[in-house]
Amino acid sequence: TQLLEQSPQFLSIQEGENLTVYCNSSSVFSSLQWYRQEPGEGPVLLVTVVTGGEVKKLKRLTFQFGDARKDSSLHITAAQPGDTGLYLCAGRLNRDDKIIFGKGTRLHILP
Amino acid sequence: NAGVTQTPKFRILKIGQSMTLQCTQDMNHNYMYWYRQDPGMGLKLIYYSVGAGITDKGEVPNGYNVSRSTTEDFPLRLELAAPSQTSVYFCASSYGLAGTNTGELFFGEGSRLTVL
Repeated sequence: TQLLEQSPQFLSIQEGENLTVYCNSSSVFSSLQWYRQEPGEGPVLLVTVVTGGEVKKLKRLTFQFGDARKDSSLHITAAQPGDTGLYLCAGRLNRDDKIIFGKGTRLHILP
Repeated sequence: NAGVTQTPKFRILKIGQSMTLQCTQDMNHNYMYWYRQDPGMGLKLIYYSVGAGITDKGEVPNGYNVSRSTTEDFPLRLELAAPSQTSVYFCASSYGLAGTNTGELFFGEGSRLTVL
């Protein structure tokens, strides 16, 4: 059973389009992170969200944490070829130190 | 700034052999984690540690062992290698005092292991 469900698993869109990636769970998380991973490298942290309803922006990327702290979304505006990569959500379960990952969303932006 | 360092980067093992993947961090982080990543997939937690002398099982601990004798080092041992353990292994660390784990992971570059 996957504790963190990410969707879609694959996404291929044209440059300039907008997209949203979702990360859902039935469990409550004390914090949730989004990472980006390039081939042959370890994941690199993009953002952490902690408070229910929190919204954070990183240039063209907008991250939101659900009110109940069970889900999150990543929205990219005007996608660029440089956004291509594997996007992973990860969460620290409430009152636990395990950090678990979703399966990831492989994003490909076509020029 | 070394961060999290993993060795070796690549290794080929025969079925039944043993080996240790080394992981060291120089950021004085209390929390350390071992993950495996199969092709095209996310990361599965193998073991983690909240501080020196304390380790705990993750999602997929079978076939692996860990120890944490110092804050800096968190080696992962495979005792009897099996083809199912072919994967890329990532070590990571995060900052936090007891009970205040930020959850923000800093990763090593990974160790690619093939078991034939």
